[in-house]
Amino acid sequence: AQTVTQSQPEMSVQEAETVTLSCTYDTSESDYYLFWYKQPPSRQMILVIRQEAYKQQNATENRFSVNFQKAAKSFSLKISDSQLGDAAMYFCASGYSSASKIIFGSGTRLSIRP
Amino acid sequence: EAGVAQSPRYKIIEKRQSVAFWCNPISGHATLYWYQQILGQGPKLLIQFQNNGVVDDSQLPKDRFSAERLKGVDSTLKIQPAKLEDSAVYLCASSLVWQGELFFGSGTQLSVL
Repeated sequence: AQTVTQSQPEMSVQEAETVTLSCTYDTSESDYYLFWYKQPPSRQMILVIRQEAYKQQNATENRFSVNFQKAAKSFSLKISDSQLGDAAMYFCASGYSSASKIIFGSGTRLSIRP
Repeated sequence: EAGVAQSPRYKIIEKRQSVAFWCNPISGHATLYWYQQILGQGPKLLIQFQNNGVVDDSQLPKDRFSAERLKGVDSTLKIQPAKLEDSAVYLCASSLVWQGELFFGSGTQLSVL
């Protein structure tokens, strides 16, 4: 079975500092995609960043970047220059070609200290 | 571009009652998902449609939950009868292709008393 594990239920970071959220996944598939989604208190999930497994280069979106370690099945999210608006639940997710569905981890609640 | 529309935003019912949720995906998005998100947990996929056909409903409790997607556009998710453990946020999402970005609605928060 495909699984996504987020081992940090909560994280806290000082404003303007850098924080890394961890995610591991388990799959025997060769064709898959990885995502980080943000869910603010409004409940609306927003895509933060997306990584294709076949790409070796780590994805980057402005202050957000990933560290994709394929052999270790690790997909961590780094947020640089943390801002108050980054406070939210962050979910790691994976999608698999054979199942063509996307499953989510349990989430990490990120708080930002002013 | 209009986003994914869901209604109602909140619903409170008593156990054994029935309830229905509605979702209108982004125009042109072939794939539609219903997720259940229990408080403190990640979203769990209930059912996935490709156009108006079901791709995956392996985690849908079919004795009480049903879903349909008429004409490959709008979708409804129904629970009958509801149980206390069905209290959750029900999220609808759509995507152009399954490997792409999921666009989510604001969800329906269901409380079963």
